[in-house]
Amino acid sequence: QSVLTQPPSVSGAPGQRVTISCTGSSSNIGAGYDVHWYQQLPGTAPKLLIYGNSNRPSGVPDRFSGSKSGTSASLAITGLQAEDETDYYCQSYDSSLNTWVFGGGTKLTVL
Amino acid sequence: QLQLQESGPGLVKPSETLSLTCTVSGGSISSSSSYYWGCIRQPPGKGLEWIGSIYYSGTTYYNPSLKSRVTISVDTSKNQFSLKLSSVTAADTAVYYCATYTTSSGFDYWGQGTLVTVSS
Repeated sequence: QSVLTQPPSVSGAPGQRVTISCTGSSSNIGAGYDVHWYQQLPGTAPKLLIYGNSNRPSGVPDRFSGSKSGTSASLAITGLQAEDETDYYCQSYDSSLNTWVFGGGTKLTVL
Repeated sequence: QLQLQESGPGLVKPSETLSLTCTVSGGSISSSSSYYWGCIRQPPGKGLEWIGSIYYSGTTYYNPSLKSRVTISVDTSKNQFSLKLSSVTAADTAVYYCATYTTSSGFDYWGQGTLVTVSS
C-alpha cells in the first residue's frame, strides 16, 4: 500500500488528453511538499518528467504538464502518442514517515 | 551532466549482505552541495522504493522500514558512494538504482540500474 495513491491504469486514444492522479495526505502533498513525476519506459531507469509540481526539465515536450491542489497532484498528457504508453510515478516527501515516497505507479495504454 | 553507474554482484545468498557501488562522473560528490546521493529499488513487476540517501557532508537518511539493515557511505577519493543491505531475503530481489536528489528537482539523475537476485 503506497502512501501516494495512483490509479493502476489509465487509457486514451491517440490525440486525446489523459490525466493521472496522485492522492496523498496532510503529511506529504498537503503539507506543501513538492510533487515530482517520472516516466519509466520498459527495461529502463525512471526519467524525471515534471519537477516542483509543474515544471518540465529541458527536452520534455509541453504535452506533459503537472498541477497540485490540496492533498493531490495530477499529471496531464495532451495529444497522446503511441510512445507515451508506459509507466508513470509520482513522488514526494512524507514528514510523518521521514521518507521520500513514491506512488504505486500508473500504466498508460494508448488505444 | 552527471552520470551514475551501478556495480556489484548480481546474485547474493539469503542472510548475506548485498553490496552496491555507485560511481559518479561529470561532477564531484564532495563539492556538490545541492545533491543527496541515494539508492532506490524496484522489485520485478512492482513499484519504486526509496532505500536511503547521503548528503555530501556525510549525513545519512534511511527508509525507516529498512533502516536496521542499511548503510550508505561515501568514498570521495573514488567519487563513489556505496550501499550495504544486510540479512537479505528473497524479498530484497530487485533492480537497484543509484540516483541523485535535489529538493527542488526531485530524483533528477539515475543510473541504468542493476538486477540483484537473492537466492541460494
